[in-house]
Amino acid sequence: EAGVAQSPRYKIIEKRQSVAFWCNPISGHATLYWYQQILGQGPKLLIQFQNNGVVDDSQLPKDRFSAERLKGVDSTLKIQPAKLEDSAVYLCASTLGGASSYEQYFGPGTRLTVT
Amino acid sequence: AQKVTQAQTEISVVEKEDVTLDCVYETRDTTYYLFWYKQPPSGELVFLIRRNSFDEQNEISGRYSWNFQKSTSSFNFTITASQVVDSAVYFCALSEGSTGTASKLTFGTGTRLQVTL
Repeated sequence: EAGVAQSPRYKIIEKRQSVAFWCNPISGHATLYWYQQILGQGPKLLIQFQNNGVVDDSQLPKDRFSAERLKGVDSTLKIQPAKLEDSAVYLCASTLGGASSYEQYFGPGTRLTVT
Repeated sequence: AQKVTQAQTEISVVEKEDVTLDCVYETRDTTYYLFWYKQPPSGELVFLIRRNSFDEQNEISGRYSWNFQKSTSSFNFTITASQVVDSAVYFCALSEGSTGTASKLTFGTGTRLQVTL
């Protein structure tokens, strides 16, 4: 079974530029998450989708971050414009069903460096 | 609000030593789930175990064991006879279970385990 795929794996941009990350969850997984992991910290949820609807985006900085999950499969996360403090690893995760009992499967992450 | 505390930032042990990673959590939910994930240098989070709030039985899987105690809100992880391949950052995480839908994971800050020869 293929895992969660993410691209690109690494991205370096200058502040005020824009960037987009892509995630393809495990086939059949209805719930998709984007987490931000700053160096030395645990991952923090940015946004959660159930199929193509947003369940939780309370910690998403909506003035600069946006995300979509068209057709309930792939998802993209965009930052525009980027700030220095956005330097982090962006992790995508997916889970099979609509219950918290299911474990989340994580992709390899996209490491973003903002200079 | 949920919170997970991993007080140990970094632990160094010599191979074959036993090591315990501590995790203390806070939640107002009566139904919740606890997880441990491993993050090796490659960066990908690897699921290790899930525990629900109604099951306080300890669990053993090979060299790994977990001790869940609701009375102290702790979910500690022990590696017996550690190996160099165990070197990684280990995260404890919590998710609510009472909403009926999948919930986010609230992670601790992680414990970096270094196992040397």
